Amino acid sequence: DIVMTQSPLSLTVTPGEPASISCRSSQSLLHSNGYTYLDWYLQKPGQSPQLLIYLGSNRVSGVPDRFSGSGSGTHFTLKISRVEAEDAGVYYCMQALQSPRGFTFGPGTKVDF
Amino acid sequence: QVQLVQSGAEVKKPGSSVKVSCKASGGTFSSDNISWMRQAPGQGLEWVGSIIPMSHITNYAQRFQGRVTITADKSTNTAYMEMRSLRSEDTAVYYCARSGVDTPTAIYYFGMDDWGQGTTVIVSS
Repeated sequence: DIVMTQSPLSLTVTPGEPASISCRSSQSLLHSNGYTYLDWYLQKPGQSPQLLIYLGSNRVSGVPDRFSGSGSGTHFTLKISRVEAEDAGVYYCMQALQSPRGFTFGPGTKVDF
Repeated sequence: QVQLVQSGAEVKKPGSSVKVSCKASGGTFSSDNISWMRQAPGQGLEWVGSIIPMSHITNYAQRFQGRVTITADKSTNTAYMEMRSLRSEDTAVYYCARSGVDTPTAIYYFGMDDWGQGTTVIVSS
């Protein structure tokens, strides 16, 4: 099974400042089709998770452009260029290389102010 | 965008079963993959299993194999997750989510882009 790790697990941010979350997988998430199957989700307090980034670096329509995903192989990063108050919540990376036979979430990174 | 609406909260006794539903409105999901995740109190997200309604192909996390059954009714655009032999550790919020299914010639995976509102399942004597 693919194991996902994230760091840090908790992040205190200042509005207007940048923030970065790291995610690592136990094996490469590069598919034979050339795509990297790594997603980023944000779960705001009391809400269902919402998709931010899919296939490593593709931002979902409606997600502010201050969010960006990068990385390859086994090391990935979610960056927020200028954090806003509405960005508070828990961020999860998730591997979908084995989709639809299996998915694995990272432990989550709690972002607060 | 498809909206996924889940059934209401459940309180169950240890050893019993629960069946949670997930209905798609505003579209269909027969060609997609419907996954079930759970989140225990204060914990992270855990994938439980998935179904492709068009083919009824199911996949389960190893730890739930044999205790969970996921089904789908294409006529009503509804997916179901049944868990048996419930124990207190199964107390969690259960979510359904939709994602695409790749084919050998095309990429249809764009993340889990639609999620249900979550169903709280409490297992307590």
